[in-house]
Amino acid sequence: AQSVAQPEDQVNVAEGNPLTVKCTYSVSGNPYLFWYVQYPNRGLQFLLKYITGDNLVKGSYGFEAEFNKSQTSFHLKKPSALVSDSALYFCAVRDGRSNYQLIWGAGTKLIIKP
Amino acid sequence: GAGVSQSPSNKVTEKGKDVELRCDPISGHTALYWYRQRLGQGLEFLIYFQGNSAPDKSGLPSDRFSAERTGESVSTLTIQRTQQEDSAVYLCASSHDTRNTGELFFGEGSRLTVL
Repeated sequence: AQSVAQPEDQVNVAEGNPLTVKCTYSVSGNPYLFWYVQYPNRGLQFLLKYITGDNLVKGSYGFEAEFNKSQTSFHLKKPSALVSDSALYFCAVRDGRSNYQLIWGAGTKLIIKP
Repeated sequence: GAGVSQSPSNKVTEKGKDVELRCDPISGHTALYWYRQRLGQGLEFLIYFQGNSAPDKSGLPSDRFSAERTGESVSTLTIQRTQQEDSAVYLCASSHDTRNTGELFFGEGSRLTVL
C-alpha cells in the first residue's frame, strides 16, 4: 500500500542543536518526495523536494533532507535549530499510481526551546 | 494575485446547512487541489482540477461534497447538509507545473465548524 509515515508526533530540540524530523515512505515506482512546513494559522509552505539526482537535497531556511532508497526514508535535517523553526512539518510523496496525487504524512510538531 | 486566496477564513454553521468555500489560485496556475485537514491529522485529498480536463473527484467523501472550477480561475467547494464530522480546515493549493513535480502553493485555509 502507498503510504507515508512520520513516526514522531512531536520533536523537541534545544536552540542551536541539530534537528532531525523523520519520514519513511512506501510507494510503487520512483518516489517524488517533498517536505512542507506549516506555521500557526498559516497555509503550508514548500521547503524542498527530491525528484532525482543527488540524494542530499537543500531547501529553504537552511533545511536539507537525505533520500535513502534502501531505507525508504527522507529525513529532514538542519545543523543548528532556531526558535523560529518551531512549526508543523509534513512529508509527502507523489503517489506512484498517479502523476499528481500526493500522499501526506500526519505531520510532526517541531518545538525549538531557547 | 500574489498568493492563493481562500474565503471565508472562518465559517461557523449549524448542522444541516449548506456552505460554500472559495479559492482564488495564483494567476496562470493550471492545477488546483482541495484538501481537508482535520485537527492533528495530515492532508486528505478531496479533488483535483487541471486546466480544462475532467477533474479527479475520487477524494470527495460523499455526494454532499462538490466542487467547481471555471477554466483556470476561481474554484468553489460546496458542502450540502453539513454534518459535525465535516468540521475541519479546508485547504486549497495551486501549481503551474503541469508535470506535477514542483511545489504546491497553499492558501491559508477555511476553518469550518459545524455545530
